[in-house]
Amino acid sequence: EPEVTQTPSHQVTQMGQEVILRCVPISNHLYFYWYRQILGQKVEFLVSFYNNEISEKSEIFDDQFSVERPDGSNFTLKIRSTKLEDSAMYFCASTTYYNQPQHFGDGTRLSIL
Amino acid sequence: KNEVEQSPQNLTAQEGEFITINCSYSVGISALHWLQQHPGGGIVSLFMLSSGKKKHGRLIATINIQEKHSSLHITASHPRDSAVYICAVRVPMNYGGSQGNLIFGKGTKLSVKP
Repeated sequence: EPEVTQTPSHQVTQMGQEVILRCVPISNHLYFYWYRQILGQKVEFLVSFYNNEISEKSEIFDDQFSVERPDGSNFTLKIRSTKLEDSAMYFCASTTYYNQPQHFGDGTRLSIL
Repeated sequence: KNEVEQSPQNLTAQEGEFITINCSYSVGISALHWLQQHPGGGIVSLFMLSSGKKKHGRLIATINIQEKHSSLHITASHPRDSAVYICAVRVPMNYGGSQGNLIFGKGTKLSVKP
């Protein structure tokens, strides 16, 4: 069965550094999402992406965050200047249409030192 | 703002027991998802439902739209069912929702002892 794959599984970065989290959604999917989960807390929506542009973003998704689909397969989340509070598990998800079940990747654990 | 509440927060059961996890939400939704989060962190979608009942193997999900409530049942529970079960809702676009982004509950941590 096709999967959403995320790399790396764990990223350790110094505060203030830029980090790029990568996702390969399922190939025929059209809607893409990033979520994050701070340790011990609930999963939170960051951004949705469709037709090569952001559909919606949450309050968390400030100017330090950006997303890109640079080619037909990758979907990336960039954090420009990381802060300690960016430490979390970041999940990518994709779906064929927005009202269909979302398929999640295994997540990238981001640790900011 | 739609709040999603789950109960219980933690649940310990003996193998073979029937499990029920509850989810309630505060405003209208277009769909409700039940997700399973493994100890390693990965999330798997179990069900998406907007009315009635769905069954997959030993898992059953029900939803009552009028009461804004859903339940996830596990029959004949097994230690491999141990995970965090998360309820998430999608808000319709005409209620301020958007293209599929989900609002999550805090999850119910289930431990099934052999």
